[in-house]
Amino acid sequence: GAVVSQHPSRVICKSGTSVKIECRSLDFQATTMFWYRQFPKKSLMLMATSNEGSKATYEQGVEKDKFLINHASLTLSTLTVTSAHPEDSSFYICSARGPLRSYGYTFGSGTRLTVV
Amino acid sequence: QQPVQSPQAVILREGEDAVINCSSSKALYSVHWYRQKHGEAPVFLMILLKGGEQKGHEKISASFNEKKQQSSLYLTASQLSYSGTYFCGTERNSNNDMRFGAGTRLTVKP
Repeated sequence: GAVVSQHPSRVICKSGTSVKIECRSLDFQATTMFWYRQFPKKSLMLMATSNEGSKATYEQGVEKDKFLINHASLTLSTLTVTSAHPEDSSFYICSARGPLRSYGYTFGSGTRLTVV
Repeated sequence: QQPVQSPQAVILREGEDAVINCSSSKALYSVHWYRQKHGEAPVFLMILLKGGEQKGHEKISASFNEKKQQSSLYLTASQLSYSGTYFCGTERNSNNDMRFGAGTRLTVKP
């Protein structure tokens, strides 16, 4: 199989603090991982592409300094929401291409972030 | 770059059929189909890579047209468990990231 683990599943933080979300590929190596954001009843919007050993590629309109992405190994990518504000509250999901094309993309279970 | 997906929502009775469409203005490398239940991550259904391809498992199948610009997902004899939001995801090339359609909310009622 191709399993992606994402933690935490839920987090509540105060405005101004930072939150780190981890995304791990458990049984395969992922040189590229993707971070999406999803608002209620909306589609998944690509935020950035995380590349192992190099800088992430951000989508237009996504603040690089606010959403820090680090892909330090072939199995781990992290997204840090810095100086969080209530408008950052959302569902964040990571994904990676499976080890075989036929596997499609495998998604983590998502992180529900609430900033109060 | 985002594919156009239709319809936005469908309500069915158990046993009825549905078709969900996904289209792009340019030829695609691949089309993926996912189903997402409320509060959960999307689950991969299938991927289509070849123009003219048709693929399916059980009562859910999909097609990819010859020009590789349009895909349809077919749900036949729907079951209650089919309820959820269906997304198509498209890739422009083998190294590209995936973009999702707006989603189709499918509700199957007894």
